[in-house]
Amino acid sequence: DAKTTQPTSMDCAEGRAANLPCNHSTISGNEYVYWYRQIHSQGPQYIIHGLKNNETNEMASLIITEDRKSSTLILPHATLRDTAVYYCIVIVYNAGGTSYGKLTFGQGTILTVHP
Amino acid sequence: DAGVTQSPTHLIKTRGQQVTLRCSPKSGHDTVSWYQQALGQGPQFIFQYYEEEERQRGNFPDRFSGHQFPNYSSELNVNALLLGDSALYLCASSLEQGNTIYFGEGSWLTVV
Repeated sequence: DAKTTQPTSMDCAEGRAANLPCNHSTISGNEYVYWYRQIHSQGPQYIIHGLKNNETNEMASLIITEDRKSSTLILPHATLRDTAVYYCIVIVYNAGGTSYGKLTFGQGTILTVHP
Repeated sequence: DAGVTQSPTHLIKTRGQQVTLRCSPKSGHDTVSWYQQALGQGPQFIFQYYEEEERQRGNFPDRFSGHQFPNYSSELNVNALLLGDSALYLCASSLEQGNTIYFGEGSWLTVV
C-alpha cells in the first residue's frame, strides 16, 4: 500500500472549514484513499473514502487531485467535537477481500478546533 | 443497528498471565480484524479472520492468537503477557465484499 504524508498538527477556529491535506504520491491505480479520525481514547471512526472523484457525505468532503497524488479532507464547519487525530490511509480494494481490511495507520494529523 | 462491540472495556493483568478479549462485529459483517494501539501511536494490524480462519497476519508473535465463531464474533488471546502488551486493543469489522471497515471502542489492557 502507498505511503501517506500528513502534517503533524493543525489548528482551526470553530465554525470555520478545516482543510486537512494528505500526500500519497506513490498511489497506484487501484488504491483508494480512506480517512478515519480518532477522538481521544475512542476507536477510529470512518469518515469518507474515494478513488478518483470528489466525494461528499454528511460528515465531510474529500477532494482528490487529478493526478491522485494528494487529497484534502474538508470539514465544512468545524466544531469543538471535531478535535481528534485524523488518519489518511491508502489501501488496495480487492474484490476478493484478500488484502482488504489491513489498514496501515501512520501518525496522522492532530486537529485542534479552538473556540 | 449495533455497531462493533467489544468486551471488557478495561482490564488489568499481571505479567505472565493470559487474556481473552471479545468482539461482536457490526450486524451482517463477516470479517473481523484486530489491532493493537500503544499510547501515542497509531493502531497496528494484528490479524484478520474470515470464515473462521486467520487470513492475514501482521508482525506479531505467536503469543497472539485468535478465533472466529460461526456467528462471526471473534476472540483475541494473548499468552505470557509482557508489560509491553499494555495497549488499547481494537476490533474492526467489515464485509468480505464490502469497502468500509468499522471499529469498536476498544479494550484497554494494562499489564502490571
